[in-house]
Amino acid sequence: EVRLVESGGGLAQPGRSLRLSCEASGFKFDDYALHWVRQGPGKGLEWVARISWNSGSTAYADSVKGRFTISRDNAKNSLFLQMNSLRAEDTALYFCAKDKLSVGPDAFDAWGQGTMVTVSA
Amino acid sequence: DVQLTQSPSSLSSSVKDRVTITCQASQDIRNYLNWYQQKPGKAPKLLIYDASNLQAGVPSRFSGRGSGAYFTFTISNLQPEDVATYYCQQYDSLPATFGGGTRVEIK
Repeated sequence: EVRLVESGGGLAQPGRSLRLSCEASGFKFDDYALHWVRQGPGKGLEWVARISWNSGSTAYADSVKGRFTISRDNAKNSLFLQMNSLRAEDTALYFCAKDKLSVGPDAFDAWGQGTMVTVSA
Repeated sequence: DVQLTQSPSSLSSSVKDRVTITCQASQDIRNYLNWYQQKPGKAPKLLIYDASNLQAGVPSRFSGRGSGAYFTFTISNLQPEDVATYYCQQYDSLPATFGGGTRVEIK
């Protein structure tokens, strides 16, 4: 069974940093691209970032470019999102999602349950 | 960025009804469109990929059609467990974008 478990969310002040993690199991981790997708309170889904299977290619939404960094550790089956210079508008539930392909984006065929990030003074 | 316009934003239908949601892209995205279901308090779930392919394990009452810039998603026999918000998503170009969602309720 494919499983993705996010952690690291919480309350942060504007301008501060948080690091999200996503632990994966149930599939060959280094065969697939991975993504972060967020959902603001009561809002729709917003794609945040993607990393290819070997970390050779990354991509970001304009709203987070230059502030967030996506990375992965294939030896530990883990995905990360380093979030710097946080803003109130970054408040959201952050999901990690598995791509159907090694580079992506394609279809997101598995999702974690999400970790909540709240940015407030 | 490719904009996806879903309609309606919400609908209410009876059990066993046929329900159709549309997703219009701001440009030609070939068949690079997926559909997801998100139940309250849960993560999204992939239902349809590449516009018309049913993801493994998804009931056959769900279907998708379309190509280019116009797509439809249909639930052919609405069931109580289908209460959810449905999103389309394109991956023709980065950034991947989602439609605004369609909330489906039972009358």
